[in-house]
Amino acid sequence: DADVTQTPRNRITKTGKRIMLECSQTKGHDRMYWYRQDPGLGLRLIYYSFDVKDINKGEISDGYSVSRQAQAKFSLSLESAIPNQTALYFCATSDSPGQGGVAQTQYFGPGTRLLVL
Amino acid sequence: AQSVTQLDSQVPVFEEAPVELRCNYSSSVSVYLFWYVQYPNQGLQLLLKYLSGSTLVESINGFEAEFNKSQTSFHLRKPSVHISDTAEYFCAVSDLQTGANNLFFGTGTRLTVIP
Repeated sequence: DADVTQTPRNRITKTGKRIMLECSQTKGHDRMYWYRQDPGLGLRLIYYSFDVKDINKGEISDGYSVSRQAQAKFSLSLESAIPNQTALYFCATSDSPGQGGVAQTQYFGPGTRLLVL
Repeated sequence: AQSVTQLDSQVPVFEEAPVELRCNYSSSVSVYLFWYVQYPNQGLQLLLKYLSGSTLVESINGFEAEFNKSQTSFHLRKPSVHISDTAEYFCAVSDLQTGANNLFFGTGTRLTVIP
């Protein structure tokens, strides 16, 4: 079974609709992240969470909200979807930085392909 | 904020030929550097990383990258590519100042290995 799962894998919605993308992990990691991937732009960070009570905005949080329901679950919501939110969305997880603040590897889910008409 | 530059958006190369994918970053502080690979229709997987110590790091499938602080580069190389290496490769950087786990990604390089 995959360590980081995302549902749904594909979604088509209409402008103005509210949608939620869900992410679950079985790795026991404290930190979770949401990215979007656009052709030619790479991955950009939307939101990240260090634990259930610690949620932070990333580079492109406008138009998005998140909920960390439990250590293992981190959901991304589009309150009113618009066409330029059409993208591939990835969830990722990691441990907290190691001794001396050393960065930990991020583990990615398979992605959710979202099309907003 | 950090920025990562991958100048080559697409790199076609013949099978068994060598390849270099370039990555430059902007930072004046100590950094952590990563290469991730994305195979078609999959999520990203870590290929290799530099945290400290030896500036040359290797992956299990024959890729290597060298951290060059003076040139702020972390280029990825493989002496002989296989068809199975066809994928998109992303360079990423983080540092203690912005949060050790906050990754900034480059725009990616699509490697196509030609039979």
